[in-house]
Amino acid sequence: NAGVMQNPRHLVRRRGQEARLRCSPMKGHSHVYWYRQLPEEGLKFMVYLQKENIIDESGMPKERFSAEFPKEGPSILRIQQVVRGDSAAYFCASSPDRVVDTQYFGPGTRLTVL
Amino acid sequence: DQQVKQNSPSLSVQEGRISILNCDYTNSMFDYFLWYKKYPAEGPTFLISISSIKDKNEDGRFTVFLNKSAKHLSLHIVPSQPGDSAVYFCAAGGSARQLTFGSGTQLTVLP
Repeated sequence: NAGVMQNPRHLVRRRGQEARLRCSPMKGHSHVYWYRQLPEEGLKFMVYLQKENIIDESGMPKERFSAEFPKEGPSILRIQQVVRGDSAAYFCASSPDRVVDTQYFGPGTRLTVL
Repeated sequence: DQQVKQNSPSLSVQEGRISILNCDYTNSMFDYFLWYKKYPAEGPTFLISISSIKDKNEDGRFTVFLNKSAKHLSLHIVPSQPGDSAVYFCAAGGSARQLTFGSGTQLTVLP
């Protein structure tokens, strides 16, 4: 049973470009979460999605950031017009469809904005 | 406002001895707690969890203790092994499903 998959593992963008991060949850998991880790900090929640629905985006910056989890295909975190402060590790996690359950994390995408 | 705090950024322990990592929280609405282990350039790996209705959960060398009145939990690793050297994150969750993480403790197990 494959774990949570994220790609790319490393992404380099220049200021003003767009970054697209992809996440495929574990088989059988219908809940996806995105977290961001800035250097020397813990992980910070960004958004929680189920198929075709954003459930909680309270941790997402109001501008330039968006997320989706379409009926078919991976979840996408999109950052438009990236700035240097967006440089971070972005982790995706998934969990099964239970009220409370463990979140399993992918390897992360390390975004560097030049 | 840090709702989950790990006040020790680092901890060194001799191989074979006990490692104790601590975590404090402020939000009484949290009802389950998890510990994750993280190596550099990898994602967090789930270790062990505990529900707020329990005060202890054990899995092999790992035991988590929860003191709800003190809003404190701890992870005990015994015996510690060099492969346990990593950053350990405490996380807390509630009905909203999002996890709130501490800032991590770097554990170094010395051979």
